[in-house]
Amino acid sequence: KQEVTQIPAALSVPEGENLVLNCSFTDSAIYNLQWFRQDPGKGLTSLLLIQSSQREQTSGRLNASLDKSSGRSTLYIAASQPGDSATYLCAVVKAAGNKLTFGGGTRVLVKP
Amino acid sequence: ETGVTQTPRHLVMGMTNKKSLKCEQHLGHNAMYWYKQSAKKPLELMFVYSLEERVENNSVPSRFSPECPNSSHLFLHLHTLQPEDSALYLCASSQDRAGLMNTEAFFGQGTRLTVV
Repeated sequence: KQEVTQIPAALSVPEGENLVLNCSFTDSAIYNLQWFRQDPGKGLTSLLLIQSSQREQTSGRLNASLDKSSGRSTLYIAASQPGDSATYLCAVVKAAGNKLTFGGGTRVLVKP
Repeated sequence: ETGVTQTPRHLVMGMTNKKSLKCEQHLGHNAMYWYKQSAKKPLELMFVYSLEERVENNSVPSRFSPECPNSSHLFLHLHTLQPEDSALYLCASSQDRAGLMNTEAFFGQGTRLTVV
């Protein structure tokens, strides 16, 4: 059974510092991995999708890497801003299936 | 706006009530999902519909009844719920290509359900 873990569960940084969020998964047979952002009480906003054949994806200040063999992904957010404060979730899609298995999320607070 | 719309945004219901949650996607996707998000627990998949057929039911109690009349609409019918069913219910959609590598999943804003 696929298990997805995100550490730390919460993170607080001063504005301007780079953020590093970690995601690990137990079954490396995945099709893709997706990073989401969730604001309190709201739905999920897709940030980046990495296919299993890719090593990284970039969008603006966001960069996500994937090491499938070791079961890890890292989301980097450069030069953090207070508006980056949210919960960040990673999810994987296993092979031969289309359901997302989610981690517990990392709650980020960027202090002005 | 993600292209996935959920209504209502908030719902308070008694344990004897019957209500329905609605989800509509405008992305041309062929797969839709219901997820449950409870406090301090990871998102849990409830149901998956692909090409309007239910392909997964993750041991969800029968007091939750999904309906997918077409590829753009998904409902979750609720009856005789319990207080522990209070949660954020999220709908998502994606393009499922024969069960193989799928594309990005897009989520609605969710319905905050409170059972009293």
